[in-house]
Amino acid sequence: AQSVAQPEDQVNVAEGNPLTVKCTYSVSGNPYLFWYVQYPNRGLQFLLKYITGDNLVKGSYGFEAEFNKSQTSFHLKKPSALVSDSALYFCAVRDRGGGNKLTFGTGTQLKVEL
Amino acid sequence: GAVVSQHPSRVICKSGTSVKIECRSLDFQATTMFWYRQFPKKSLMLMATSNEGSKATYEQGVEKDKFLINHASLTLSTLTVTSAHPEDSSFYICSARDRLAGLDNEQFFGPGTRLTVL
Repeated sequence: AQSVAQPEDQVNVAEGNPLTVKCTYSVSGNPYLFWYVQYPNRGLQFLLKYITGDNLVKGSYGFEAEFNKSQTSFHLKKPSALVSDSALYFCAVRDRGGGNKLTFGTGTQLKVEL
Repeated sequence: GAVVSQHPSRVICKSGTSVKIECRSLDFQATTMFWYRQFPKKSLMLMATSNEGSKATYEQGVEKDKFLINHASLTLSTLTVTSAHPEDSSFYICSARDRLAGLDNEQFFGPGTRLTVL
């Protein structure tokens, strides 16, 4: 069974400061990893994904994530946070061994303050 | 980019009635669509996988007779909540994968439907 853990329910950061949203995963094989963002009463928007290759993945809106196989982590980062980045962020994993099923973490609420 | 729409965006109904939610892929074809349910401040719970031309695959604990799924075409899947009760009130989100994309491709999500059962 695959699973995702997002250990922080909420992350607070000042605008202009770097931000990190943590994610660890568990799959039986090699993973496909994804980050999505959700604004209030909206669906999920795709941010970035790790499939293979370079462990540092760059995505939309200046976000990036680093795949660390030894630590089974895929933390989301941004060098300089904006107030408009405030939203709910979900990490998700899919076992590339088969199947379409995405498993999501519990979500991390990011709050960026002036 | 790939766009998925849902209709309606918000619906209020009386207990005991049925509600149909549509999920459409607007600029791509999707042999597979997914239906999720999201409770307030909670993660997405996969309810079922909708397969074009065949029966949906339901996750454990999801009543298939209560949540009817039909994937009639490569661009449309519908979720019907039958005999709705207040506990069915939730935010329902669909997603779709482009049938021409590889297995590593991401799912594209609809904007969600807020269902309130009185």
